[in-house]
This record gives sequence, structure tokens and C-alpha cells, in this order.
Amino acid sequence: GIQVEQSPPDLILQEGANSTLRCNFSDSVNNLQWFHQNPWGQLINLFYIPSGTKQNGRLSATTVATERYSLLYISSSQTTDSGVYFCAASTGFQKLVFGTGTRLLVSP
Amino acid sequence: NAGVMQNPRHLVRRRGQEARLRCSPMKGHSHVYWYRQLPEEGLKFMVYLQKENIIDESGMPKERFSAEFPKEGPSILRIQQVVRGDSAAYFCASSPPRLSHGETDTQYFGPGTRLTVL
Repeated sequence: GIQVEQSPPDLILQEGANSTLRCNFSDSVNNLQWFHQNPWGQLINLFYIPSGTKQNGRLSATTVATERYSLLYISSSQTTDSGVYFCAASTGFQKLVFGTGTRLLVSP
Repeated sequence: NAGVMQNPRHLVRRRGQEARLRCSPMKGHSHVYWYRQLPEEGLKFMVYLQKENIIDESGMPKERFSAEFPKEGPSILRIQQVVRGDSAAYFCASSPPRLSHGETDTQYFGPGTRLTVL
């Protein structure tokens, strides 16, 4: 099955800094989603982005399907951005395969 | 439009008891997925259901675990004779009927049920 890898595993930022999180996947995908799991454990949908570029406020994402990677950009980070960011992909419109996540800590 | 609802949010069971986790998908959604997150790990797929049908149960443990999505009512994930290794967060997700490719493939996740086995 498809493999999903994320980097870096951990990231520490000062408030106001920018960051880029990467997701590599091993096969063509029909579905790619980015999630934020906050410190209370809730999973929040950020983007559905099997290809192309999207922006939502300080967050944006780009997926280059032909090269099998996706990037999540966080600009002007805030302490509320802390948590774990997951990338998940699917090849068959069914089960999502999750990466192991990037743990982000934004300090004031 | 309410999101995916799961209950209970926290469940404590003793070894050997049964655990029942409920998931109500978003209104209009006919696809339900269950995922399990062990401590400090990512989410792992368990089962994919449509109304009255199990479509893919390749991630379900062979014993003690079962899932259903009846014609009426919520989807249920049932764990019989729980063991300490079942302690985890169980997430349910739903997606709308797949009429065409695109945003309808997005899976929306509930808040999860945190199961603790003593």
C-alpha cells in the first residue's frame, strides 16, 4: 500500500516565524488531506489538496502530484498553532493512510 | 450543520468488559470510517462502512472487534473483552456520497472517543 512520510518530526519556532512542513507519498493519490491535531486531541481539517495550491489565512498548501509531495506553509506562527500536523493520503477514494506527523511547538 | 459526533468522549473499562463506541456522521454523509490512534502514534485505518455494508475491514483486528452502520442510527464500533492494549483514541470520519471526484472525497473527523482499559 501507499507509504506516507512527513518531515521534520519535530519543530520548535518562536512566535512570528514561518515554517514549511513536508509530506512525501509513494504512489499517485486521489485524496490528500492536511490536519492539525491540537493539544486537546481534536483533529481539525486544514486542506483537501490532492493537487494544486490552496490558501486559508496564514496557512497554505501545495501538492505536486507528479513528484509525489505536498507542502504545508505556516506564516507568522502563533502559540495556538502548536500541536501535531498530519498528512494523510488515499489511492482509492477510501481509507486514508496517515504519516507519523510533525510535532510543532510555538513559543511566545 | 453539525459535524461528526462521537460518544462517549471518554470511556473507562476494566479488562474483559465490552466497549461500545458510537458515531453519527454529518448530515447527508453515507460513508463512515473508523481509525485508531495509539498513544504517541499516528492514526491507523480500521474499517470503512456504508449504510448496512462493510466495504473494507482490512485494518480491523481479527478477533474481538466488530463494526456496523445500520439503516437507522449511528455507526457502532464494538470491542469485546477489552485488554490494556486497546487503550487508544478512536476516531470516526464521514464523507458524502461520491457523485463525482473532488471535495466530496474529503473525510471529516469527529472529536474521538478516548478509551482507557484498567
